[in-house]
Amino acid sequence: DGGITQSPKYLFRKEGQNVTLSCEQNLNHDAMYWYRQDPGQGLRLIYYSQIVNDFQKGDIAEGYSVSREKKESFPLTVTSAQKNPTAFYLCASSMGREFSATDTQYFGPGTRLTVL
Amino acid sequence: AQTVTQSQPEMSVQEAETVTLSCTYDTSENNYYLFWYKQPPSRQMILVIRQEAYKQQNATENRFSVNFQKAAKSFSLKISDSQLGDTAMYFCAFMWVGSQGNLIFGKGTKLSVKP
Repeated sequence: DGGITQSPKYLFRKEGQNVTLSCEQNLNHDAMYWYRQDPGQGLRLIYYSQIVNDFQKGDIAEGYSVSREKKESFPLTVTSAQKNPTAFYLCASSMGREFSATDTQYFGPGTRLTVL
Repeated sequence: AQTVTQSQPEMSVQEAETVTLSCTYDTSENNYYLFWYKQPPSRQMILVIRQEAYKQQNATENRFSVNFQKAAKSFSLKISDSQLGDTAMYFCAFMWVGSQGNLIFGKGTKLSVKP
């Protein structure tokens, strides 16, 4: 059963702590993305990766870090430097490499992060 | 910088009727793609329909169709024969071909389908 999984579904963090959100895909996609969604807002891009061991900052990368050691995995760490981390986080993947008409992003079910 | 605007924060429609959601965008690029995504209460983002800017023909997917007006930078979504399961947030999104997959989203329209 192909798809994107994110864990955990809900995550609580105390202020000052780092926390890591998991994203795994078995679609054999090269590209992976992390988005943040706030109430009443659209999605905003945090980081993206087109290939293993390479990633780029998106529009709101400050306070976040990522790694891409394996093709199927793209974990996101929310650091204590992120001023307002409470949000819904969505991971996506696409075929990547050369963009084509079929290179659509498919999304995981999301992780709701709450800072206490 | 590219921007996407959805001017209708909320809309409602009766079951079986037709509804149109508006989206406008701003870009100086000529080669791009436009998308409509649906986010039901489960919060899973689901692709509804995609349009390539170089294609003049409007995309259709079953009950969903778009009205793409490139000169006006308008990309509206028409939902025909609305069903209760269409109740969701709908997001319009823009992607420039050279952006390496950077999707720019609007703020969304909350659609309620009433029985």
